[in-house]
Amino acid sequence: DTAVSQTPKYLVTQMGNDKSIKCEQNLGHDTMYWYKQDSKKFLKIMFSYNNKELIINETVPNRFSPKSPDKAHLNLHINSLELGDSAVYFCASSHKRASGRYNEQFFGPGTRLTVL
Amino acid sequence: DQQVKQNSPSLSVQEGRISILNCDYTNSMFDYFLWYKKYPAEGPTFLISISSIKDKNEDGRFTVFLNKSAKHLSLHIVPSQPGDSAVYFCAASTISGTYKYIFGTGTRLKVLA
Repeated sequence: DTAVSQTPKYLVTQMGNDKSIKCEQNLGHDTMYWYKQDSKKFLKIMFSYNNKELIINETVPNRFSPKSPDKAHLNLHINSLELGDSAVYFCASSHKRASGRYNEQFFGPGTRLTVL
Repeated sequence: DQQVKQNSPSLSVQEGRISILNCDYTNSMFDYFLWYKKYPAEGPTFLISISSIKDKNEDGRFTVFLNKSAKHLSLHIVPSQPGDSAVYFCAASTISGTYKYIFGTGTRLKVLA
């Protein structure tokens, strides 16, 4: 039973193409995230949604657009792919406690994107 | 500006001995710290956390120590096992950004049998 799943696991595409990565969690969490791990292994937050509302939007090019159709899904669409977009993209989810703090984040297995 | 740093990219330890992984941070507003473990081709998995009101938290073989004055935390694994071989990331967050973790660049631990 996969808690946080991502599709596809690998994605190889040409520069200029548009692609999407999908993420689903079955943990009942209300908050989901997208992270990018670049070639230097630096894991950096890109976006976060709480109850389908965007709450974190880091300095990310407009070509990246997250979409949360419901609390269990957070997809990432990337337009006009560039060489520098090559990275591993991780989806994660967590739950907001009554105190306002968030529980630890659960990560998906990652999507390795290669732009040629 | 990297607010969370793991200055040792790799560490090798003999099975049965103690592994000590270190993490330094610069933002004094951080009040919650976590350690994640990552195997190849998998996502990071949560290991242990500590709030800034504590200086130690223990869970089985894993203990995290926090030194607020030095802005330093460490993860101790005793005894180390070959299955502990992985990349370990520390992460930090603040009250005002409890949903946002800042991750270090990771330390690759290799436990030698």
